[in-house]
Amino acid sequence: SQTIHQWPATLVQPVGSPLSLECTVEGTSNPNLYWYRQAAGRGLQLLFYSVGIGQISSEVPQNLSASRPQDRQFILSSKKLLLSDSGFYLCAWRQPGPRRTYEQYFGPGTRLTVT
Amino acid sequence: GENVEQHPSTLSVQEGDSAVIKCTYSDSASNYFPWYKQELGKRPQLIIDIRSNVGEKKDQRIAVTLNKTAKHFSLHITETQPEDSAVYFCAANPTASKLTFGTGTRLQVTL
Repeated sequence: SQTIHQWPATLVQPVGSPLSLECTVEGTSNPNLYWYRQAAGRGLQLLFYSVGIGQISSEVPQNLSASRPQDRQFILSSKKLLLSDSGFYLCAWRQPGPRRTYEQYFGPGTRLTVT
Repeated sequence: GENVEQHPSTLSVQEGDSAVIKCTYSDSASNYFPWYKQELGKRPQLIIDIRSNVGEKKDQRIAVTLNKTAKHFSLHITETQPEDSAVYFCAANPTASKLTFGTGTRLQVTL
């Protein structure tokens, strides 16, 4: 069965520091991968998604970036964090294919606090 | 792009009563409508979904209905229990690869 991991689980970083969050998926190949952000008490905002290695689509202009160096690895980065970057960061995956499955499954999330 | 509106934002029901959450979408190309449940501090979990070729789907105490003509779909929870307390999100897929989420409904089931 498929498993999705995210780390770290929690992170406290000062304003202006860099960021690197990692997501990996097991038990599947060539998944679609997604980064969402959830501000406190708010909805799910899609930040980036990827349909393959090196293929990144950005949904919201901001100081974050994403990379997919391997098929089942998705990384979210920032060179300089802002206070507004605080939130719950969720990675998700979807298995594309001829059956046209649309379900997305979320990882456990990383809670980021920028101080 | 797709716009999904969700109502109400908060809902309080007594244990044993029914709860209904409604969503509307704007993009007629959307053909998949999932519902997620998110408990406090946890990840959203897919609880039920429906495709556009079906008008209703039921799984034990939860059901989802879809009206494609009116572009709205609803989540129905019967015989609510305290463990149903959570935030519920609806979504629609403007493309095969993407989901657009509603803003969420905080459901509180009181004893």
